[in-house]
Amino acid sequence: GQQLNQSPQSMFIQEGEDVSMNCTSSSIFNTWLWYKQDPGEGPVLLIALYKAGELTSNGRLTAQFGITRKDSFLNISASIPSDVGIYFCAGLPNAGGTSYGKLTFGQGTILTVHP
Amino acid sequence: DTGVSQDPRHKITKRGQNVTFRCDPISEHNRLYWYRQTLGQGPEFLTYFQNEAQLEKSRLLSDRFSAERPKGSFSTLEIQRTEQGDSAMYLCASSLLTGDGYTFGSGTRLTVV
Repeated sequence: GQQLNQSPQSMFIQEGEDVSMNCTSSSIFNTWLWYKQDPGEGPVLLIALYKAGELTSNGRLTAQFGITRKDSFLNISASIPSDVGIYFCAGLPNAGGTSYGKLTFGQGTILTVHP
Repeated sequence: DTGVSQDPRHKITKRGQNVTFRCDPISEHNRLYWYRQTLGQGPEFLTYFQNEAQLEKSRLLSDRFSAERPKGSFSTLEIQRTEQGDSAMYLCASSLLTGDGYTFGSGTRLTVV
């Protein structure tokens, strides 16, 4: 099935460094979501974006909904060891602040943080 | 509210056997979703329910797969005549019609040997 193009596939960084990852699509999505998944667990929602151009923060995490509605970015500032995990972007076709419906996921970015 | 519960967490089965997984969504959530995730990939949509009605099924859901949500509460996903290619993590999620994203369960890891 269709998946979003997420990059990079993996990152190895030192504790304290900032991290950026992005997600692109050939199709328009009206809602973008960012999830984190730990081994053996389900994805946990980090940030939801509902409007093109929107910039939203959640603690050290900041995400942006691209103006074209075909991309999104996630930044993590001052990384810590517990940031380790797999980060997924996901898009929804639904607009208007709703986030139900069929999610299309990226392939994930594996983040490793060295103390 | 204990979140979305899935049972079992792990299942090992022999090829050709039938397996059934259960998902208990967050009680007030009227939408329930099933996804499948293979190693190194993001989750892929299988099917979803609004209350007890199954509204959409992916092409990934072959005839060997069936999902039910009797009474609009818990859901079951059954795989008949399992194949090695069915080995994956099966994730359940639930949501309201509006709100901030889904809540996923911890998944059922299926291994077909």
